[in-house]
Amino acid sequence: DTEVTQTPKHLVMGMTNKKSLKCEQHMGHRAMYWYKQKAKKPPELMFVYSYEKLSINESVPSRFSPECPNSSLLNLHLHALQPEDSALYLCASSPPALNYGYTFGSGTRLTVV
Amino acid sequence: KQEVTQIPAALSVPEGENLVLNCSFTDSAIYNLQWFRQDPGKGLTSLLLIQSSQREQTSGRLNASLDKSSGRSTLYIAASQPGDSATYLCAVRRFDDMRFGAGTRLTVKP
Repeated sequence: DTEVTQTPKHLVMGMTNKKSLKCEQHMGHRAMYWYKQKAKKPPELMFVYSYEKLSINESVPSRFSPECPNSSLLNLHLHALQPEDSALYLCASSPPALNYGYTFGSGTRLTVV
Repeated sequence: KQEVTQIPAALSVPEGENLVLNCSFTDSAIYNLQWFRQDPGKGLTSLLLIQSSQREQTSGRLNASLDKSSGRSTLYIAASQPGDSATYLCAVRRFDDMRFGAGTRLTVKP
């Protein structure tokens, strides 16, 4: 298995809803990442988990809450989002050695109404 | 903070042309540079990974070069095809921090 799987592919949620995005990989990668990408913009780093511990939080609002239950799974819990949070949310993973590249999932297209 | 710039922002070429996409970065203390392809509304597909100690990597019709000291990389696409139409992103990695350029949107016309 050489893939990063993200679910759901599409999500529409109201501003008062609570939802979660899921990311899974079975490549033995020990670093996992959340990126946010707005239309026609580059991906922007949100969170980094290394060995299941949060190592980087790029000053993301608390309405986004990451969770790494185990080495294969990464969640992003969403609560009280704003319409400007609508974007493509990308998950990536990489092996522990720093000379490796990243493998990205196909993303979750989130629309906040 | 690392800044990554890609030129041109958009490129339209007829089928069969060879083309070069450019990427520059401000901090040369990187571990590697990765070129990605992104189709509209989709995720990122890795094309080539160049380590900081390497000068170039090749995969099929793609060739990427890296000049770390000058903060530059190029992606060369030979004999372009309509199926190559996509946005091409370069990204540089230092520790667990990968930073992206804004991409070059390539259109190859039949």
